[in-house]
Amino acid sequence: GESVGLHLPTLSVQEGDNSIINCAYSNSASDYFIWYKQESGKGPQFIIDIRSNMDKRQGQRVTVLLNKTVKHLSLQIAATQPGDSAVYFCAEKKRLNFGKGTSLLVTP
Amino acid sequence: EAGVVQSPRYKIIEKKQPVAFWCNPISGHNTLYWYLQNLGQGPELLIRYENEEAVDDSQLPKDRFSAERLKGVDSTLKIQPAELGDSAVYLCASSLDGSHRSTDTQYFGPGTRLTVL
Repeated sequence: GESVGLHLPTLSVQEGDNSIINCAYSNSASDYFIWYKQESGKGPQFIIDIRSNMDKRQGQRVTVLLNKTVKHLSLQIAATQPGDSAVYFCAEKKRLNFGKGTSLLVTP
Repeated sequence: EAGVVQSPRYKIIEKKQPVAFWCNPISGHNTLYWYLQNLGQGPELLIRYENEEAVDDSQLPKDRFSAERLKGVDSTLKIQPAELGDSAVYLCASSLDGSHRSTDTQYFGPGTRLTVL
């Protein structure tokens, strides 16, 4: 069936380093993706989105890359801070499919 | 501006008991979503409302789950009777326009953590 999923369940990085969280999807017709951040005890929070007519989009300290050829997208966080520690989900908007999430732990 | 409000935040019940969750979406948001989130998993859509109409309830276990959105604003999600496997976080979200063409962002509430003993 159709799926959206992240590659690694956990990622540990040092404060100040860059983080890369990866996500794969199976449906080539998927055309709109969203990255969410979920802190403990809270609901997911929108970070950044990207449409399939783009291969890169930048926000504040975050960049999302979309590779439609291999059906892969990534979230890059620059100069990772302790406040970035959370679970990150990629989601495909049309079918409202979320992956399992990657837990990002930022160590001092 | 207030975000999506959910209550209660926590609920502990015994199996076979009924339980209800309440959600107040962001003012002016036409689309409301209920999700279930198991530990370590991503949210799974249960039902989506456009105003007061349930436009996608294909993942809602209708034998025990029910939902309503009277007047197209607040919504309640009910489970009757609850089972042990229903223990999870129930998230509500809203957006201005939930159509597939829309780029509107979903805003999530903090969720209700249900524990069934």
